[in-house]
Amino acid sequence: AQSVTQLDSQVPVFEEAPVELRCNYSSSVSVYLFWYVQYPNQGLQLLLKYLSGSTLVKGINGFEAEFNKSQTSFHLRKPSVHISDTAEYFCAVRLQGAQKLVFGQGTRLTINP
Amino acid sequence: GAGVSQSPSNKVTEKGKDVELRCDPISGHTALYWYRQRLGQGLEFLIYFQGNSAPDKSGLPSDRFSAERTGESVSTLTIQRTQQEDSAVYLCASSSDRGKGYTFGSGTRLTVV
Repeated sequence: AQSVTQLDSQVPVFEEAPVELRCNYSSSVSVYLFWYVQYPNQGLQLLLKYLSGSTLVKGINGFEAEFNKSQTSFHLRKPSVHISDTAEYFCAVRLQGAQKLVFGQGTRLTINP
Repeated sequence: GAGVSQSPSNKVTEKGKDVELRCDPISGHTALYWYRQRLGQGLEFLIYFQGNSAPDKSGLPSDRFSAERTGESVSTLTIQRTQQEDSAVYLCASSSDRGKGYTFGSGTRLTVV
């Protein structure tokens, strides 16, 4: 069965600093990969997804992620964060041919002024 | 509608009572998913509907949980004899393209007292 590990439960950074949120997955078959953001008291919003093709995926709000098959990773990055990026970020995986998303435990990103 | 709609947004119930949560997916979305998010945790898959196929109920935690969906319309998640550990945010998502993109609702926050 596939699983998703988000290595950091909390990441504090200063405003305008770069950030990387780490995500590793385990699967013996090909996968689709997703990052979602959850702002306080809101539902989940899709940031970006990898389905196929280029391993560098660009999403909304200046975020990007790189699929690394050999390291089974899909880390999320942003070169310069804003206060408004404070939120919970979830990595998710879906096996090709399967239907359900499996989520990581989430990473709480806190931006300090 | 424009998005996935869930009702109620908040529900407080007494232990032992039954509750019914509603999800109205995006029109035309054939797939519908229910997830549970306990405080400070990731999303836990509960159940998946795809058109008129038999639902994938593999994530339902106990026989107190059930869900229904008629065709490609509204779904209801029912929790019977609620327990305090059922307190969580219940999120619904729908998808039109066999799981390559999911849209989440804002969730129902259930508190069992």
